[in-house]
Amino acid sequence: GNSVTQMEGPVTLSEEAFLTINCTYTATGYPSLFWYVQYPGEGLQLLLKATKADDKGSNKGFEATYRKETTSFHLEKGSVQVSDSAVYFCADNNNNDMRFGAGTRLTVKP
Amino acid sequence: DTGVSQDPRHKITKRGQNVTFRCDPISEHNRLYWYRQTLGQGPEFLTYFQNEAQLEKSRLLSDRFSAERPKGSFSTLEIQRTEQGDSAMYLCASRPSGQGETQYFGPGTRLLVL
Repeated sequence: GNSVTQMEGPVTLSEEAFLTINCTYTATGYPSLFWYVQYPGEGLQLLLKATKADDKGSNKGFEATYRKETTSFHLEKGSVQVSDSAVYFCADNNNNDMRFGAGTRLTVKP
Repeated sequence: DTGVSQDPRHKITKRGQNVTFRCDPISEHNRLYWYRQTLGQGPEFLTYFQNEAQLEKSRLLSDRFSAERPKGSFSTLEIQRTEQGDSAMYLCASRPSGQGETQYFGPGTRLLVL
């Protein structure tokens, strides 16, 4: 089964609101953790990643910290924009394959 | 553009027909992955190659599915005797080998089986 669980959507926010999308993983050992984003009509793009405990990945104002003690990698952004509207996928990579959460659709309204 | 490319982008076929999809990875990446994504779900792993060797196959990959990467560059995914349940987006990704490397995804091939 899928080892990555993320917050169900859809999530609708107003512009400049604070965003949190929760993600937890169950992979043992020390997996690398990723957030991918899929904009409408486009393929998956890497948003950010972290490869070891306590690392913080960041990009485009988004951040996520690798928390080994809580097996979490929650995505945050302090002030969302309309252009952030997309589907966000959390993923872990342990050994050879990558496993994805079900995705969280974010809609940001002006 | 030197990213991952997939062909075709869209395919409509009748149940029982065979279809073949192609993926061209980023040239220096020796690992290539195939995923399937259905509506409202994340990508599900199907199989991956290290160069020309197919090293792992998911239980999702039934006997009707076959993937090849004969020269360690492009890959093909064939579905024989398609069924309506095969309708999905088929994604290809590539990456260098090594722990924690990022996978780069292609735009996907959307298959609709009527």
